[in-house]
Amino acid sequence: GAVVSQHPSWVICKSGTSVKIECRSLDFQATTMFWYRQFPKQSLMLMATSNEGSKATYEQGVEKDKFLINHASLTLSTLTVTSAHPEDSSFYICSALRGSQETQYFGPGTRLLVL
Amino acid sequence: SQQGEEDPQALSIQEGENATMNCSYKTSINNLQWYRQNSGRGLVHLILIRSNEREKHSGRLRVTLDTSKKSSSLLITASRAADTASYFCATDPIQGAQKLVFGQGTRLTINP
Repeated sequence: GAVVSQHPSWVICKSGTSVKIECRSLDFQATTMFWYRQFPKQSLMLMATSNEGSKATYEQGVEKDKFLINHASLTLSTLTVTSAHPEDSSFYICSALRGSQETQYFGPGTRLLVL
Repeated sequence: SQQGEEDPQALSIQEGENATMNCSYKTSINNLQWYRQNSGRGLVHLILIRSNEREKHSGRLRVTLDTSKKSSSLLITASRAADTASYFCATDPIQGAQKLVFGQGTRLTINP
């Protein structure tokens, strides 16, 4: 199968600190990964598209300086929430595309709580 | 909003009954996908149906797609308590660079 992992699975941090979330494709190479945000009992909202070796593409309304994305290898993308505030508390989920397949494989998510 | 609509928002049925969830979307698509999410977890891919397909089966799952009405349905037959989860449809819009657009989801509860 196609396995995607995320680390950490949950994190609590103080307001003003930065938090890095990793998304890894464990058994396949992913040139494209996606980052989503999900508030409680709501749907997933796409934040950005992460392409290996190039700059991420951000969706409208998502601050690129606030949510830094790095896709340095074919198996790893990172999302850094900079100067986190309580309103950034959410469930962050990544997904990865396997080659030319249409199916996105999702990670288990990272729950962020900013105090 | 580009997000699709799903109905019902919540559905509670008895174990063994069939569950039907509907999804409507707004743009032309390459395909439509259904995902399941257990509480606080990631998404599990259930089934993908392409725009030129009308019906697809996978085990106890049956998905239909009507591109003229821009709608899809997911039927789970002979439901089990383990089917309790949130179910999301997601569309892959044409010229959308494979950026999925998710519906609001249906929270399904199967009562034993």
